[in-house]
Amino acid sequence: RKEVEQDPGPFNVPEGATVAFNCTYSNSASQSFFWYRQDCRKEPKLLMSVYSSGNEDGRFTAQLNRASQYISLLIRDSKLSDSATYLCVVNMYTGNQFYFGTGTSLTVIP
Amino acid sequence: DAGITQSPRHKVTETGTPVTLRCHQTENHRYMYWYRQDPGHGLRLIHYSYGVKDTDKGEVSDGYSVSRSKTEDFLLTLESATSSQTSVYFCAISESNTGELFFGEGSRLTVL
Repeated sequence: RKEVEQDPGPFNVPEGATVAFNCTYSNSASQSFFWYRQDCRKEPKLLMSVYSSGNEDGRFTAQLNRASQYISLLIRDSKLSDSATYLCVVNMYTGNQFYFGTGTSLTVIP
Repeated sequence: DAGITQSPRHKVTETGTPVTLRCHQTENHRYMYWYRQDPGHGLRLIHYSYGVKDTDKGEVSDGYSVSRSKTEDFLLTLESATSSQTSVYFCAISESNTGELFFGEGSRLTVL
């Protein structure tokens, strides 16, 4: 079983739409959570960290549900520039390891 | 952007040849990582380092070795490349073992 699982998509949405991605993790000892964005043939870059209380950064909202072991990312008012692959990342303090989901592909259509 | 560079960025080699990928950072971060990225698998950890001469294996370490003789350099070596090691390799650095990862631009390796 993979440590982190994501729906690979693809998600094709019109500009202005709201889209949500979910990610589940298998290890309840996981301690820190992130969403990364990866553009085609580029390196991943941090989009936002995910905190227990939930957090928002402009059009992006991330939430964590420890009881159900999933995290989510909500993108409101989608822009063409949001087209990318979104990676869910989970870290456990022991082992110094970050576990990556396979990514969810988003295409925003004009 | 974090000061992290990978070399070479592209390499084509033949099965059985040794290959070394270099990751160089100017951030003085303690932690350095090597990942490979393949379709359907996402990013998988090969090896990581938590200090000079301190390294440990990740989930896909077979066929790879690493060395870190200086804070700024982390080398990944394929002793005898195989076609299954064709992949995109990313180096990453982090100030702590729980914080943000900064990635290099990646090294695309093709083993024929």
